Amino acid sequence: GDSVTQMEGPVTLSEEAFLTINCTYTATGYPSLFWYVQYPGEGLQLLLKATKADDKGSNKGFEATYRKETTSFHLEKGSVQVSDSAVYFCALRELGNTPLVFGKGTRLSVIA
Amino acid sequence: DTEVTQTPKHLVMGMTNKKSLKCEQHMGHRAMYWYKQKAKKPPELMFVYSYEKLSINESVPSRFSPECPNSSLLNLHLHALQPEDSALYLCASSLGLAGTDTQYFGPGTRLTVL
Repeated sequence: GDSVTQMEGPVTLSEEAFLTINCTYTATGYPSLFWYVQYPGEGLQLLLKATKADDKGSNKGFEATYRKETTSFHLEKGSVQVSDSAVYFCALRELGNTPLVFGKGTRLSVIA
Repeated sequence: DTEVTQTPKHLVMGMTNKKSLKCEQHMGHRAMYWYKQKAKKPPELMFVYSYEKLSINESVPSRFSPECPNSSLLNLHLHALQPEDSALYLCASSLGLAGTDTQYFGPGTRLTVL
């Protein structure tokens, strides 16, 4: 079945550091890929998405590129802020009425 | 506007109580979802509704009973829950069921079963 693998956390960075959270996937078809963020005590918010190979999703300084050849969708940000501290989930969804498949999540802590 | 609202924000109930969780969206979305999220875990899909009809039931125990009274509302009726059912319950909606359709999540209801 489909699956998503994220780098293990927690990840602790200093403010203004560069962030990379790795995400690779296994899928039988041609999925859409998503990054969601969950701040403490809140629900999930869509951060960005990509629906086909070589698409780049971007939002709030975060970027991720759909790489079909490496089955990856790594999340990057050039300069993190304390307010970026949250749990980040990579997810995929195949075409049609299929479930959203989540990775286990990566907890990011940014310290001033 | 991409807002999904959920009430209540917090709920404490005993194992013999009956309660309901409510979810609402006004984005014209025709698919709505219930998820359960335990601490430090990703959300787990419970139910999917499409055009007010139950589309997916992920083998959820019958003590959880979903209802979709109209295209904007989704309820989850709770009865005779167990302490292990304590979790964050998330509602989501999407335009349709296509894989490219983004699911938008509500803030969740944090449920504690005593």
